[in-house]
Amino acid sequence: EVQLVESGGGLVQPGRSLKLSCAASGFTFSNYYMAWVRQAPKKGLEWVATISTSGSRTYYPDSVKGRFTISRDNAKSSLYLQMNSLKSEDTATYYCARYYSSFLDYWGQGVMVTVSS
Amino acid sequence: DIVMTQGALPNPVPSGESASITCQSSKSLLHSNGKTYLNWYLQRPGQSPQLLIYWMSTRASGVSDRFSGSGSGTDFTLKISSVEAEDVGVYYCQQFLEYPLTFGSGTKLEIK
Repeated sequence: EVQLVESGGGLVQPGRSLKLSCAASGFTFSNYYMAWVRQAPKKGLEWVATISTSGSRTYYPDSVKGRFTISRDNAKSSLYLQMNSLKSEDTATYYCARYYSSFLDYWGQGVMVTVSS
Repeated sequence: DIVMTQGALPNPVPSGESASITCQSSKSLLHSNGKTYLNWYLQRPGQSPQLLIYWMSTRASGVSDRFSGSGSGTDFTLKISSVEAEDVGVYYCQQFLEYPLTFGSGTKLEIK
């Protein structure tokens, strides 16, 4: 059974950093691109980052480019999101998701990040 | 960026009736390989999104055949035949043709 379990969320002050983790199991992690998608409270879904199987290629929207860094450790079947210079508008539930071809076929349960002083 | 625009539903929808959700993209999602890179997801209350339809019309594994996707390069429809209580939630379309990946704003389905 595919499982994606996020962790590392919490309350953080504006301008500070936070690192999210996603532990994957039930599939060969190194064979799949992975992504982070977020959802602000009562809002829709926003794609945040994508990483290739080896980690050599990463993609971000302009809203987080230069502040967020996606990475992975295939030996540990883990995905990460390093978030720097956090802003109040980064407050959201962050989901880890698996890419299959050209869609996101499995999603984690999400982890909440609140940016507030 | 490709903008995804979703229509609203005339909520609540009576149980057993059909419901159609529309989605329009600002650019054709038809890839040169013949696939249309439009996906549909359902987010039930309090849950994570789940994949319903990919490549515009292919049902994901385990998804009821009451769900069907159709469309052209820029105009898409998700049809739910005979809605049930478990169909309640917010439906999102998403384009996967190019970065940045973008979602529609979501369409809420309520059942009467």
